[in-house]
Amino acid sequence: KAGVTQTPRYLIKTRGQQVTLSCSPISGHRSVSWYQQTPGQGLQFLFEYFSETQRNKGNFPGRFSGRQFSNSRSEMNVSTLELGDSALYLCASSLPGLPYEQYFGPGTRLTVT
Amino acid sequence: SQQGEEDPQALSIQEGENATMNCSYKTSINNLQWYRQNSGRGLVHLILIRSNEREKHSGRLRVTLDTSKKSSSLLITASRAADTASYFCALDSGAGSYQLTFGKGTKLSVIP
Repeated sequence: KAGVTQTPRYLIKTRGQQVTLSCSPISGHRSVSWYQQTPGQGLQFLFEYFSETQRNKGNFPGRFSGRQFSNSRSEMNVSTLELGDSALYLCASSLPGLPYEQYFGPGTRLTVT
Repeated sequence: SQQGEEDPQALSIQEGENATMNCSYKTSINNLQWYRQNSGRGLVHLILIRSNEREKHSGRLRVTLDTSKKSSSLLITASRAADTASYFCALDSGAGSYQLTFGKGTKLSVIP
């Protein structure tokens, strides 16, 4: 089976712009989670989607949003980019049910200048 | 939600030696998982231990869990240069939380 794929892999944006990142989960995985990873804060949970519904959300401002499509692919959007949004954004997919074991994509490296 | 805390933050050993890293947490968990991340890449799931298990093995990996002390340890035996990576513990609190909470990781360097 193909792994989790994320596009693009690298992105450079300017403050104030918006960005959309994409994630395709492993076939059969219906849960998709997003994480932000920075050297200072580590891995922080953004949100989780299952069957096109957001089931959980982390402590991030409303500028961070996401959605999931009927084929389980997911996108996250960050509006009005700030320098502090520079990070590695990781997507992970999971099978339905427990235990909640996640399979990660390679990440999208976002640099905001 | 709680966060695991790994210890040490960094560890440097010679190839062939064993590496031990620890994770402590504060509230109850459904299971605890360990992940590896090579520099700037995605995380790879290594092993999962449920709250009612005390020890688990997978190849050169041995994980223990002490729920009374709220701590876990990951032992990598006979380390190799390819084991150089950051290792994270992740907490699954269950109860339909649908998220894992990661610690800040232990950076392991294995010197050939």
